[in-house]
Amino acid sequence: AQSVSQHNHHVILSEAASLELGCNYSYGGTVNLFWYVQYPGQHLQLLLKYFSGDPLVKGIKGFEAEFIKSKFSFNLRKPSVQWSDTAEYFCAVNAGNSGGYQKVTFGIGTKLQVIP
Amino acid sequence: NAGVTQTPKFRVLKTGQSMTLLCAQDMNHEYMYWYRQDPGMGLRLIHYSVGEGTTAKGEVPDGYNVSRLKKQNFLLGLESAAPSQTSVYFCASSFGQGARGYGYTFGSGTRLTVV
Repeated sequence: AQSVSQHNHHVILSEAASLELGCNYSYGGTVNLFWYVQYPGQHLQLLLKYFSGDPLVKGIKGFEAEFIKSKFSFNLRKPSVQWSDTAEYFCAVNAGNSGGYQKVTFGIGTKLQVIP
Repeated sequence: NAGVTQTPKFRVLKTGQSMTLLCAQDMNHEYMYWYRQDPGMGLRLIHYSVGEGTTAKGEVPDGYNVSRLKKQNFLLGLESAAPSQTSVYFCASSFGQGARGYGYTFGSGTRLTVV
């Protein structure tokens, strides 16, 4: 069964600091990987996704993530965070086989608090 | 705007009462899902549907029922609410899965409190 681990449950940063949120998954086959963001009081929104090709994926609002297959990781990064990045971030994975239903597994989330 | 609409946004129920949460999407998505979100537990899949007229159990289906009579609607029912069902419920939809997946579009959530 696939699983997702997010190592940091609560991160506090000052504005302009660099961000890296860890995500590791366990699944032996081809995977699709996602990062979602949930701003306070709002629903989850897709931040970026990886299906194939360039392992460095760029998303909205200056976020990027790197897929490292050998490490089963898909860490989220941003060079300089802003107060508006305060939110909860969820990593998710599903098997990459085409056709049919493939379960998406979410991590438990990382709460990011950016201090002005 | 196109997207996923959930109703109601808030609800308080007494133990034993029943209710139905409605999810509607206008993106012609085949797949629809109901998740619950609890602190420290992330998102857990309750039920899902891979097309009109189909439903299937997720990770935590007990105490819930669903129906997908129309492609655009996915209903989540609680027959006899329990305090353990106090949670935030999110509906999501997607165009496809696997190599054709484009990620999920989520609704704004329903905050349910069972007293």
